[in-house]
Amino acid sequence: DAKTTQPTSMDCAEGRAANLPCNHSTISGNEYVYWYRQIHSQGPQYIIHGLKNNETNEMASLIITEDRKSSTLILPHATLRDTAVYYCIVRVEGGAQKLVFGQGTRLTINP
Amino acid sequence: NAGVTQTPKFQVLKTGQSMTLQCAQDMNHEYMSWYRQDPGMGLRLIHYSVGAGITDQGEVPNGYNVSRSTTEDFPLRLLSAAPSQTSVYFCASSYSSTFQVSGNTIYFGEGSWLTVV
Repeated sequence: DAKTTQPTSMDCAEGRAANLPCNHSTISGNEYVYWYRQIHSQGPQYIIHGLKNNETNEMASLIITEDRKSSTLILPHATLRDTAVYYCIVRVEGGAQKLVFGQGTRLTINP
Repeated sequence: NAGVTQTPKFQVLKTGQSMTLQCAQDMNHEYMSWYRQDPGMGLRLIHYSVGAGITDQGEVPNGYNVSRSTTEDFPLRLLSAAPSQTSVYFCASSYSSTFQVSGNTIYFGEGSWLTVV
């Protein structure tokens, strides 16, 4: 699985959109981008995933650049409960079901 | 439907003691795994299982044993605890042992906090 790079920490005001970047410059054509988050030492929680098209669900939006070398997770209206560590993970379909976590981005939502 | 259940939630061990962290899932998931998370770090894979009777090593297997006698249970054993094994342990499960995009989310338990003194 390709390596990902994320900023160590970010801040965002409550009610604003939180944009979390992820660099995955060595991604292969058949690898998907996945996002998980971990709130205060709870078990990680799935957020969203995508291959090359932008994706949106009830939690977030995922924007993947045309060259697929980077992506951005968007929380459209961040709340205090979105304070967490966010992990960007690249996965190849059909590969072993193992998640490799980096250090992630610690997102703090400020009131 | 309880999801992934881990016990105990907190445990303090003395160096050299042994213990077992229990993990059970009621979703008939094929794949189960154990991760550890040290302070300020991401999760690291210890062992995983792709089905009953089949286990394999992850990134950091030393000092840990696992077995998978049933689909539901995947206990993690520390044979002789060391202070370096002080960590938070997470059990996880998913429907399939191979990564499939549709409907194959990995579910995590709430974690077990282990301190070895």
